Amino acid sequence: GAGVSQSPSNKVTEKGKDVELRCDPISGHTALYWYRQSLGQGLEFLIYFQGNSAPDKSGLPSDRFSAERTGGSVSTLTIQRTQQEDSAVYLCASSFRPSSGNTIYFGEGSWLTVV
Amino acid sequence: DQQVKQNSPSLSVQEGRISILNCDYTNSMFDYFLWYKKYPAEGPTFLISISSIKDKNEDGRFTVFLNKSAKHLSLHIVPSQPGDSAVYFCAASASGTYKYIFGTGTRLKVLA
Repeated sequence: GAGVSQSPSNKVTEKGKDVELRCDPISGHTALYWYRQSLGQGLEFLIYFQGNSAPDKSGLPSDRFSAERTGGSVSTLTIQRTQQEDSAVYLCASSFRPSSGNTIYFGEGSWLTVV
Repeated sequence: DQQVKQNSPSLSVQEGRISILNCDYTNSMFDYFLWYKKYPAEGPTFLISISSIKDKNEDGRFTVFLNKSAKHLSLHIVPSQPGDSAVYFCAASASGTYKYIFGTGTRLKVLA
């Protein structure tokens, strides 16, 4: 597709359940980011992937969060044993190159509500 | 430690007037800055960028100004239109890094 594609667009889950969020970056983009925006907050960096390099997981808020990127393209963000504070919009972004000076392009986001 | 700050959570401007959105940063290593616009229930969309080698970049109605000594940048929208009503985020990164640090956003409302 032309843009970053995310699914599901909306997810309501019960506290304690696991969820998976998917991101398909722009074709040819080697860098992939996950950000999170909680209600009333800014964009919080979660994790970054670049090619076959080890991902930068420094933004993941707890060990309940994990992400993988298969084949250098599609990425899945997994949240285990969801908590109400995990409710947020999860935004995936990609860029052509990972360095500063390159614009990152966002998907529409996956809106997660934990009840 | 909030490295990128947008101290005005909201701003209202009359249609046709100038909107000025401000952003301050603390990390002197930041040398590339981006502005994004976000409508409700949509992802952020890229608006305009500026490198630290410049102090101004213009694209149509949008102009970004960078004051490196003050660690301050601003986005000017002129003339403002009702369709500009959105949340605006500034973001910064440093050479050799890939991580973009975002501000908390400013909600702009352009009144018709």
